[in-house]
Amino acid sequence: DVVMTQTPVSLSVAIGQPASISCKSSQSLVGTSGKTYLNWLLQRPGQSPKRLIYLVSKLDSGIPDRFSGSGSETDFTLKISRVEADDLGVYYCLQGTHFPYTFGAGTKLELK
Amino acid sequence: EVQLVESGEGLVQPGSSMKLSCVASGFTFSNYGMNWIRQAPKKGLEWIALIYYDSSSKYYADSVKGRFTISRDNSKNTLYLEMNSLRSEDTAMYYCARGGHFDYWGQGVMVTVSS
Repeated sequence: DVVMTQTPVSLSVAIGQPASISCKSSQSLVGTSGKTYLNWLLQRPGQSPKRLIYLVSKLDSGIPDRFSGSGSETDFTLKISRVEADDLGVYYCLQGTHFPYTFGAGTKLELK
Repeated sequence: EVQLVESGEGLVQPGSSMKLSCVASGFTFSNYGMNWIRQAPKKGLEWIALIYYDSSSKYYADSVKGRFTISRDNSKNTLYLEMNSLRSEDTAMYYCARGGHFDYWGQGVMVTVSS
């Protein structure tokens, strides 16, 4: 199985400051189609997960451009340019290239 | 508006069976593969099963293979998860999510396996 190693486990950030989360996969996430099926999700407290980014760097509709995704092969990053209160929760990376699909363990973003 | 609504929540004893449903609306259900994902209390997310749009292929996590069955009825816009031989470690919130890109998720249903 592909292991998704997500760091840090938790992140304490002041409003207006940047944040960065890393996700490393144990094997390349480039699929046979040439596409890289790496997603970023946010689970706010008491809610179901919501996708923010797909195919490494494509923002979902309605997601502010303060969020960005980058990376390739096995090394991926989610960046928030300026954290807002609504960004709090647990962020997960998810690979959809290889079965079984696997998630990172999550990064809890808290306010400093 | 895309909506996924799970049902079938409950408390069951170890060794018993249970069936979850996920009713889809707001999109052409028969065009999309569908997933089940679960989250044990205070834990992370675990993908457990995928079914293709036409039921031609199904994939499972090793943790549920042989015990759980994913199925769908495109005429009813409904996804199912039949769970047999339930164990305490199957206690979790169960979510359905659309497609290989996981772009829409349901609100989840809680399954508790306990004697």
